[in-house]
Amino acid sequence: EVSLVESGGGLVKPGGSLRLSCATSGFTLTTYHMNWVRQAPGKGLEWVASISGSSDRIHYADSVRGRFSISRFNARNSVFLQMDSLRVEDTAIYYCARDVYDNVLTASYQFDSWGQGTLVTVSS
Amino acid sequence: HSALTQPASVSGSPGQSITISCTGTSSDIGLHKYVSWYRQHPGRSPQLIIYDVSYRPSGISYRFSASKSGNTASLTISGLQAEDEADYYCSSFSATSTFRRRPSSWGPDTEGPTFVVFGGGTRLTVL
Repeated sequence: EVSLVESGGGLVKPGGSLRLSCATSGFTLTTYHMNWVRQAPGKGLEWVASISGSSDRIHYADSVRGRFSISRFNARNSVFLQMDSLRVEDTAIYYCARDVYDNVLTASYQFDSWGQGTLVTVSS
Repeated sequence: HSALTQPASVSGSPGQSITISCTGTSSDIGLHKYVSWYRQHPGRSPQLIIYDVSYRPSGISYRFSASKSGNTASLTISGLQAEDEADYYCSSFSATSTFRRRPSSWGPDTEGPTFVVFGGGTRLTVL
């Protein structure tokens, strides 16, 4: 069974940093593009970042580019999101999400498996 | 970039059918086949219910169907049940991005489409 489990969320002051982790199991991580998607309290979904299976293609939403960094460690079945220079507007539940296709070359940005999410609160 | 446009709420009685629209542009829904729909119950993670415009993942009821015409995608739920009460989000791959040259400090290649857009969500109430 496919499983994604996020961790690392918490309360941080504006300008601070956090590193989120996503532990995966039940599938071969190497062949999937992985993503982070966030949801501010009471709001809709917002795609944050994606990374290809071999980490050679990485994309970011304009709202986080230059501040967030996505990475992965396939041997340990893990995906990460390093968040620096955090802002109040980054407050959200952060979900780790898998692309629906196991295609090492192309991502479809459609997400068939999601973790339970980890809450990041940026507040002074 | 603007999110896709969905109605804030829809409602229906058990057994009825409802349709949720999702309007985008010629750069997202109108151009791509990677249009998807998600269902999210309160306090739960989103769940993929439609991908590639009209395909249902394994385990999703046949009562869910979807299509697109031009820049608008639609999700139809037939035979409404109480368990269908949830928030529904549409999403589309988007081509409205520019080639970005990578500053050396940024790491791997960031060329190509750089984002996916979501709708604002539709709250479905089963009366």
